[in-house]
Amino acid sequence: SQQGEEDPQALSIQEGENATMNCSYKTSINNLQWYRQNSGRGLVHLILIRSNEREKHSGRLRVTLDTSKKSSSLLITASRAADTASYFCATVVRGSNYKLTFGKGTLLTVNP
Amino acid sequence: GAVVSQHPSRVICKSGTSVKIECRSLDFQATTMFWYRQFPKQSLMLMATSNEGSKATYEQGVEKDKFLINHASLTLSTLTVTSAHPEDSSFYICSAEALGQETQYFGPGTRLLVL
Repeated sequence: SQQGEEDPQALSIQEGENATMNCSYKTSINNLQWYRQNSGRGLVHLILIRSNEREKHSGRLRVTLDTSKKSSSLLITASRAADTASYFCATVVRGSNYKLTFGKGTLLTVNP
Repeated sequence: GAVVSQHPSRVICKSGTSVKIECRSLDFQATTMFWYRQFPKQSLMLMATSNEGSKATYEQGVEKDKFLINHASLTLSTLTVTSAHPEDSSFYICSAEALGQETQYFGPGTRLLVL
């Protein structure tokens, strides 16, 4: 069953704007990860945030985690056309032996 | 970064035939490999987890006799789709994880089309 639910399902913005994607989950987690997938390709790991962390940065990416609300957000600043892709959150549930459970994803389109 | 390859990248087969997909970790030893299936415009669904030298653990609803998984070495896992049918057409993605690491590294995927 799906653990994560991303919101929105699709997002279209102009180059230079910021893009924010949200993810909600249902059970206690060890960590939450964000991945990117270009159409018809494999996944690229973007960032991992542990359950005891609240915010993490990597380049133009900023991830927050609110365990009380069981939610996370991914912010991409100063977006580029090359950021166009599907973005998935995935959770590692406590006691699951590092199994990833993926959300449904957000399709981000950055228009030049 | 760690690299995972899959072969073939694309395969078309006739209904009733079997197809083998290979997943290799190229520059690290993968104690655990995972196999996912992704239908168009949908998310990844975990099919099974395989540990080197032991039997794979399948997720609920995944037929182990139809999707045979072999993880014979620390760098290679194979998924064989036996007696494939059109409904097995999908994008199959593997990932590999090194011992003690939290991050899975994903292969580029294999697109299977069963006619």
